[in-house]
Amino acid sequence: DGGITQSPKYLFRKEGQNVTLSCEQNLNHDAMYWYRQDPGQGLRLIYYSQIVNDFQKGDIAEGYSVSREKKESFPLTVTSAQKNPTAFYLCASTPGRYQPQHFGDGTRLSIL
Amino acid sequence: GDSVTQMEGPVTLSEEAFLTINCTYTATGYPSLFWYVQYPGEGLQLLLKATKADDKGSNKGFEATYRKETTSFHLEKGSVQVSDSAVYFCALSDNYGQNFVFGPGTRLSVLP
Repeated sequence: DGGITQSPKYLFRKEGQNVTLSCEQNLNHDAMYWYRQDPGQGLRLIYYSQIVNDFQKGDIAEGYSVSREKKESFPLTVTSAQKNPTAFYLCASTPGRYQPQHFGDGTRLSIL
Repeated sequence: GDSVTQMEGPVTLSEEAFLTINCTYTATGYPSLFWYVQYPGEGLQLLLKATKADDKGSNKGFEATYRKETTSFHLEKGSVQVSDSAVYFCALSDNYGQNFVFGPGTRLSVLP
């Protein structure tokens, strides 16, 4: 079945460490997105990519980085510059404009 | 910029009660509108959508009508079940159909 796979499901980061969250889709979707969700809050856009080798900052990009070397993959790195990284991270994709997003099951990141 | 406002939760109902979750939006142009549902520890799932004024989206007994005159997209269900307990998000796509704005979410608890 087609879908979006996020891994790992749970991730722990030590102080000063960079960590990378994986997002893979086999839906052949062009656009991919990363969101951050904090308890009791909505989704905030971190980065998005409409095509391979191109991506744009969202509302809260500071302390994060992404790459889009392949259509099916859009990994997110949480750098040590992100001082409050504890959150639930969601990856999404869409097949085209005005189409609804498909979401992965998320990665929960915590600080050790 | 574009924005989505949802009624504050949590909403607690008894099984078989009528559900309404209010959603209003501010946007330029003619956005597409969506309702998503999120179960604990999971990503968001599309519940229903509407792409133009007066469209009615429906799925699994849930309905919402795109009201341009009142800039609203209220979610309704005639008889809720315990299994409907989740967080519900109202969202819109921007004027270019490439980015999405989410409301803060409304938590629904249905008691047997």
